[in-house]
Amino acid sequence: AQKVTQAQTEISVVEKEDVTLDCVYETRDTTYYLFWYKQPPSGELVFLIRRNSFDEQNEISGRYSWNFQKSTSSFNFTITASQVVDSAVYFCALYNQGGKLIFGQGTELSVKP
Amino acid sequence: DAGITQSPRHKVTETGTPVTLRCHQTENHRYMYWYRQDPGHGLRLIHYSYGVKDTDKGEVSDGYSVSRSKTEDFLLTLESATSSQTSVYFCAIRPKTTGSYEQYFGPGTRLTVT
Repeated sequence: AQKVTQAQTEISVVEKEDVTLDCVYETRDTTYYLFWYKQPPSGELVFLIRRNSFDEQNEISGRYSWNFQKSTSSFNFTITASQVVDSAVYFCALYNQGGKLIFGQGTELSVKP
Repeated sequence: DAGITQSPRHKVTETGTPVTLRCHQTENHRYMYWYRQDPGHGLRLIHYSYGVKDTDKGEVSDGYSVSRSKTEDFLLTLESATSSQTSVYFCAIRPKTTGSYEQYFGPGTRLTVT
């Protein structure tokens, strides 16, 4: 079975705090891809990052970083020094060999000034 | 900008009426998708297309049909709308780039069935 679980439904932090969004996935495929998307209050879905199953190197992009660990089937997303503009719903997703993108339920992040 | 537009952006309709949502793309992408987004469910795949006249069902296809007669247009039809189909509908494309499996989304259509 293919599944993505984002156990944190809502997270609330104060500006400048660091926050980690968890993502756990299930797949039997040896080749797969993981993604994070951001959905700000305006409603559009914005692609943030892609990771393939052969590359466990962590990635950093400005205040954003991603930690991919195959041993725990996790692909967690950390925002350092959060800002109000980071307030959004964040989705983790898995692309499998069946050609479909499977989304987690999303984590709503609220960053308060 | 993936060059995806959706129309209409908002629609209110009555139970039992047919509704067609349109997704239009300008960059000749082969793969197109329709999702619905509901609270607590994330995004769920309704139907997808891998070419003109080539479509397949997704996870929640009951009550929906699709058509793709031209590369640039992917239509989603609710033959007889029900209140359970009140949702936000997103169209997406997958670029042709080898090894690139991310999808890019249109702005969404908010559909209310009363």
